[in-house]
Amino acid sequence: GNSVTQMEGPVTLSEEAFLTINCTYTATGYPSLFWYVQYPGEGLQLLLKATKADDKGSNKGFEATYRKETTSFHLEKGSVQVSDSAVYFCALRGSGNTPLVFGKGTRLSVIA
Amino acid sequence: DSGVTQTPKHLITATGQRVTLRCSPRSGDLSVYWYQQSLDQGLQFLIQYYNGEERAKGNILERFSAQQFPDLHSELNLSSLELGDSALYFCASSTTTGGNTGELFFGEGSRLTVL
Repeated sequence: GNSVTQMEGPVTLSEEAFLTINCTYTATGYPSLFWYVQYPGEGLQLLLKATKADDKGSNKGFEATYRKETTSFHLEKGSVQVSDSAVYFCALRGSGNTPLVFGKGTRLSVIA
Repeated sequence: DSGVTQTPKHLITATGQRVTLRCSPRSGDLSVYWYQQSLDQGLQFLIQYYNGEERAKGNILERFSAQQFPDLHSELNLSSLELGDSALYFCASSTTTGGNTGELFFGEGSRLTVL
């Protein structure tokens, strides 16, 4: 079945550091890929998405490129801020009417 | 604010008891999803309803059940509770049954503690 594997955290970075959170997936067909973010005490919210190979999703300085050849969708940001501290979830939706499948989440802490 | 409302926010109960979690989706959204978030299992899909009908089922225990009412709100019923059922339960809604571009809107969750 469909699955998502993302790097385990926690990840602790200094402000303005470069961020990469790795995500790989297993799916049949052509899934859509998502990154969701969960700030403390809140529900998940969509950060960015990509619906086909080589698409790049971007939002709030975060980027991720849908790489079909490596089945990856790594999240990157060039300069993190303290306000980026949150848990980040990689997710996919497979072909057809299938619910989102999430990775286990990666907790990011950014210190000033 | 996602527009999805979940109640209660916190719930503490004892093993063997039964609880009901409630979710009101965003205005106009026909699909409701329930997810369980625990430290060891991450975010697990439980069940999906679309316009009152069950549409997809995930890792939902037989002790758990759900329904979606005509006004589109949904309830998740958890019975014969065990310590391991302690988790954060999220409801999410979307405009469609799914589709590759469907975005989910999540509530803030109901934190269940079973003692």
